[in-house]
Amino acid sequence: EADIYQTPRYLVIGTGKKITLECSQTMGHDKMYWYQQDPGMELHLIHYSYGVNSTEKGDLSSESTVSRIRTEHFPLTLESARPSHTSQYLCASSDLSLSPGEGTGELFFGEGSRLTVL
Amino acid sequence: KNQVEQSPQSLIILEGKNCTLQCNYTVSPFSNLRWYKQDTGRGPVSLTIMTFSENTKSNRRYTATLDADTKQSSLHITASQLSDSASYICVVSDRGSTLGRLYFGRGTQLTVWP
Repeated sequence: EADIYQTPRYLVIGTGKKITLECSQTMGHDKMYWYQQDPGMELHLIHYSYGVNSTEKGDLSSESTVSRIRTEHFPLTLESARPSHTSQYLCASSDLSLSPGEGTGELFFGEGSRLTVL
Repeated sequence: KNQVEQSPQSLIILEGKNCTLQCNYTVSPFSNLRWYKQDTGRGPVSLTIMTFSENTKSNRRYTATLDADTKQSSLHITASQLSDSASYICVVSDRGSTLGRLYFGRGTQLTVWP
């Protein structure tokens, strides 16, 4: 079972509020990801990180920001939430190291954070 | 354009029956193909990872096949159970390095009825 945790699981907030979605993993993985998923649609990568102090934007443009101060922690923040941000946010980590060929390549997902902005 | 297409979009079967889900991809260069199971409201859980040289891989009642020449994969579920009701997602990676990108299908929503 994957040791990656997301909080909160469900969040309903009003427009304009600042929110932070937490993601933590205890597997020591370097690579971490945030995906956005709407019902019936594929997962879209919005942010990723190769390690501490490394963050990059993904394929889908997002107004959210991320930080990676510690290996195990990869929080996502929305400064001013809007109804268009309503979605499921999935955090994941991978055991691929920076050296090719190491690790299993497995991608472990958290349980997700369902955000609803009214 | 690199894409992953899954069919059918949804499927309903009776408990105990078998079923096969399809995944076609155009991702190139190909590195590996993964099948995930996602229960409603939960995160995806890995079922199998297949590399270029693997044709078949089994995990309990799940058997995945890969034809890298035709760029097709299938996931066969044997003796379905109610707990198999979920979305099954096909994911293709385009490189073997750590910089490999993942391409996600939209999933097949499987419902198993008693």
